[in-house]
Amino acid sequence: QVQLQESGPGLVKPSETLSLTCTVSDDSVSRASYYWSWIRQPPGKGLEWIGSVSNTAGTYYNPSLKSRITMSVDTSKDQFSLKLTSVTAADTAVYYCARLSGFSWGWFDPWGQGTLVTVSS
Amino acid sequence: QSVLTQPPSVSAAPGQRVTISCSGGTSNIRNNLVSWYQQLPGTAPKVLLYENDKRPSGIPNRFLGSKFGASATLVITAVETGDEAHYYCATWDNSLGVEVVFGGGTKLTVL
Repeated sequence: QVQLQESGPGLVKPSETLSLTCTVSDDSVSRASYYWSWIRQPPGKGLEWIGSVSNTAGTYYNPSLKSRITMSVDTSKDQFSLKLTSVTAADTAVYYCARLSGFSWGWFDPWGQGTLVTVSS
Repeated sequence: QSVLTQPPSVSAAPGQRVTISCSGGTSNIRNNLVSWYQQLPGTAPKVLLYENDKRPSGIPNRFLGSKFGASATLVITAVETGDEAHYYCATWDNSLGVEVVFGGGTKLTVL
């Protein structure tokens, strides 16, 4: 059964860079058919897609966040990562990683348990 | 503000039928596949339906999905107390490149 687990600092200072890693178990980030994704949820609010990365097909980012995002895949560790620069309090959220079955048509399954990142000095 | 519009809340007694709507437009729902997610309190979302109306293994057949035009609908035919959760629709939007968009979410309260 595929499992995803987020890791990274729970507290980031304003203007700094948020960095998170998602470790994939019982699957491979090298698999060409899937896209590895980040989704966030501010406290008490809805879901927002951040972006998706494929080992073979590149990266796709939310247009509203594109200028601040970098996503990458580490096939040697079966991990993928998110970097979000110049964070503000508006970036405070639970960050989820998830597997996307296909770009432009797929769905997210499974999801990690999520990790809360707070932006505060 | 979400591109996809869902009612903020719905409520029903156990055994009743519940309908949750998800309204979009030509750049998203009308021309793309819809998925639905259930988020139980304090947990990560879980896929409930994909490709408009398909259920992953393990999802009860009480959960039904449909799409007509630029709107999608989630129906729970006989609500149970354990169904109390937030429900989100999602699809793809082609207006600014290709991106995933989510509805604002609907809180189901089981009375």
